[in-house]
Parts: sequence; structure tokens; C-alpha cells
Amino acid sequence: KAGVTQTPRYLIKTRGQQVTLSCSPISGHRSVSWYQQTPGQGLQFLFEYFSETQRNKGNFPGRFSGRQFSNSRSEMNVSTLELGDSALYLCASSLALRRTGNEKLFFGSGTQLSVL
Amino acid sequence: DQQVKQNSPSLSVQEGRISILNCDYTNSMFDYFLWYKKYPAEGPTFLISISSIKDKNEDGRFTVFLNKSAKHLSLHIVPSQPGDSAVYFCAASASGGNQFYFGTGTSLTVIP
Repeated sequence: KAGVTQTPRYLIKTRGQQVTLSCSPISGHRSVSWYQQTPGQGLQFLFEYFSETQRNKGNFPGRFSGRQFSNSRSEMNVSTLELGDSALYLCASSLALRRTGNEKLFFGSGTQLSVL
Repeated sequence: DQQVKQNSPSLSVQEGRISILNCDYTNSMFDYFLWYKKYPAEGPTFLISISSIKDKNEDGRFTVFLNKSAKHLSLHIVPSQPGDSAVYFCAASASGGNQFYFGTGTSLTVIP
């Protein structure tokens, strides 16, 4: 079974540009979550999608948006990039994240975004 | 507001000894806890989990302990091996919630 796939692995952008990151979840997984990892900040939750609907959103500005397609693949978009957006962006999938008791997240390798 | 805290950014342990990684949480609604391990340039991988109905869960060299009254959990690795050198994140979630809350991570170095 293929794991969570994120593309691209590395991205370099300049301030003011926008970027789109892609995530393909494990087959059969319907929930996709996005996290931002920066040094010293751990994993900060961005948002979670289930069946093409955003179910939960973290405390990030509106420049960060996402969507999920009918095949559960997800994209994350950041507009008007700022230097502080430089981070590792991680996508994670799970069956349903409905607290079945044994739910866990499966992460991709991430997209390392550098904003110059 | 950091609801899950890992107060030790780093930890060094001799090979063969015990590694103890700690995690504290503030939200009493959390009832499911996980530990993830992360190597550089890779995504976190699931290590072990525990439900609030238990106070201990073991999986090989890894044991997680949960103290609900203290809102504290710990991960014990015995014996520690050089391949265990990585960043460890604890995470928590609440029943009915759609979000996991992660700590800031502890970088473990196992010295051969």
C-alpha cells in the first residue's frame, strides 16, 4: 500500500508569490490534515478535510487555504508569501479521524518551502 | 496556546540505557495520546499510542505511561539504540474532535 505522497519535496519562492502544495493520501483514507513545522514550534495544525469539506481550521491567516477533491487528494495554497512562511509543510491522512479509538495519522515526507 | 508541551528540547542517553521523554497537556478533554518519531527530511512516523482508559501501553522496547491526574505522559525506550536518535513528538486528541495537538518535540541522541 502506497504511503502519503507530497509534491513537490522542495520549493523556493520569493516574497509576495503564491504556492500550491499537493498531497495524495493513503488509498481509502478520507481525512487529510495539514501541518506546518518550524524549528521550536513543533507541528502547528493548519486544517483538516473530510469528504471535500473543511471540518476544522487552525489559527492561521486567510492566506492559507486548502481544498480536497472527490478522490481525497488535497491541495494547500499560500498566497502573498512572507519570509515567516518558510517551513516544512506536512500532510497527514487517516481513515476518518472520527475518534474510533485507534485512529492515527500517517504523514507524508513533507514539502520544504523556502521563501526568499 | 500550546495545549501539549514537551519541556525538554533535547536529551542525550548512552546506548543501552533508558531514555525517558516527557509530555504534559492542559486540556482535560484529551483522551487519546500518541508518540511520533521523526528523522530529518522525513515525515513523522507513528510509534505508540495510549487511550485514557489505560495507564500503560507497551510495544517492544517502547512503553508509554499516562498519569491523568497529573496530565502527564512519558515514553520509555529500553534499551536505547543509536537508531533511536530522532525527534519525538507527543500528540493528543479529544473524543469527537477532528484535530491532533502536537508538542514541540524532543530531540533524542543516543550515544554509542
